[in-house]
Amino acid sequence: DVKVTQSSRYLVKRTGEKVFLECVQDMDHENMFWYRQDPGLGLRLIYFSYDVKMKEKGDIPEGYSVSREKKERFSLILESASTNQTSMYLCASSPIAGGPGTDTQYFGPGTRLTVL
Amino acid sequence: RKEVEQDPGPFNVPEGATVAFNCTYSNSASQSFFWYRQDCRKEPKLLMSVYSSGNEDGRFTAQLNRASQYISLLIRDSKLSDSATYLCVVTLGGYNKLIFGAGTRLAVHP
Repeated sequence: DVKVTQSSRYLVKRTGEKVFLECVQDMDHENMFWYRQDPGLGLRLIYFSYDVKMKEKGDIPEGYSVSREKKERFSLILESASTNQTSMYLCASSPIAGGPGTDTQYFGPGTRLTVL
Repeated sequence: RKEVEQDPGPFNVPEGATVAFNCTYSNSASQSFFWYRQDCRKEPKLLMSVYSSGNEDGRFTAQLNRASQYISLLIRDSKLSDSATYLCVVTLGGYNKLIFGAGTRLAVHP
């Protein structure tokens, strides 16, 4: 079974703090993604990475950065947390595009971040 | 206009009922289509892919209408365990970038 793990299930931080969210996958997937999920808005893509040290902006990258130093690990960084970044953050991974089933993404359990 | 639109529900149905969800997408270049299921406070998980010819997996049937740009999911003989939020998802190809609808909530009651 594919396993995607996230460093914390719940996190509480203060405004202005630097926040690191870690994601690790064990299936040697090339692609990794960070989303946030808010009520009524669904999942929105923040950043994704299709290879080590490669990254692409998603739909809402402002206020976030990412790091992918190793294939299995994709980190999301909030440089200076703000209250409007309170949300559920979900990491996902998928194999490289091409062929049936390779569009499937496997999600981690999520990190519920509260910024006070 | 949202790229993927769904009725948020909730759909409240009794056990054994048949329920159908629809979803529309705005980009005619969309290549792949899926339904994901998300239980309360859990991560989304793939329920089924949606093919042009329509496909069935047990009590679940998915249909795609490219001309009208909509996708449907039919659940027959609903079970209490079907209670969840159903997410309509499309991709534009490339790096497996998925575009999610906001979800339709289903509540099956005894």
